[in-house]
Amino acid sequence: AQKITQTQPGMFVQEKEAVTLDCTYDTSDPSYGLFWYKQPSSGEMIFLIYQGSYDQQNATEGRYSLNFQKARKSANLVISASQLGDSAMYFCAMRGRSGAGSYQLTFGKGTKLSVIP
Amino acid sequence: EADIYQTPRYLVIGTGKKITLECSQTMGHDKMYWYQQDPGMELHLIHYSYGVNSTEKGDLSSESTVSRIRTEHFPLTLESARPSHTSQYLCASSEWGQDQPQHFGDGTRLSIL
Repeated sequence: AQKITQTQPGMFVQEKEAVTLDCTYDTSDPSYGLFWYKQPSSGEMIFLIYQGSYDQQNATEGRYSLNFQKARKSANLVISASQLGDSAMYFCAMRGRSGAGSYQLTFGKGTKLSVIP
Repeated sequence: EADIYQTPRYLVIGTGKKITLECSQTMGHDKMYWYQQDPGMELHLIHYSYGVNSTEKGDLSSESTVSRIRTEHFPLTLESARPSHTSQYLCASSEWGQDQPQHFGDGTRLSIL
């Protein structure tokens, strides 16, 4: 079984500051992928960044970077230079083999980020 | 930007009605998914498909059904809606490959009175 844990229900960050959103995971699969999604109040899910379990370097996409620590089973999202538009729910998700034997996404409970002007 | 569309965006309807939530994508993706999400909570997979005539149940048990007659279309149906079905339903699609992200539609917010 796979599990994603996001321990921060809510976070506040000052505009233009950096913020780290925590994500830890548990899986027995040797091969897996980690994704971060952003969900604004309008409800859609926006893909931000991906990290594969065999990737040697931490993933980066513009202002988003992923602090991947495989031994600690953590994949924290770092947002640099926060903007007001970053205020949203952020979900960490893992793709690995599910109980059905297929590769599906398991989501964490999310972290609500609020950017303060 | 992903081209996946869900209709309706919002639906408020009475108990006992038959409901079909539409989902279409123009990317030619074989893999499609339906998730259920209660307000402020995580997403739970309720159905998925690997291609035409392929449908599987997800980890969360659901009274809904799906069909996949065309690659681009993956509708979800509730035969008799109940208040417990009130939730947001999100459709997604992806290419094959473990590193391929799922692209989501805007979701349908369903309220059963």
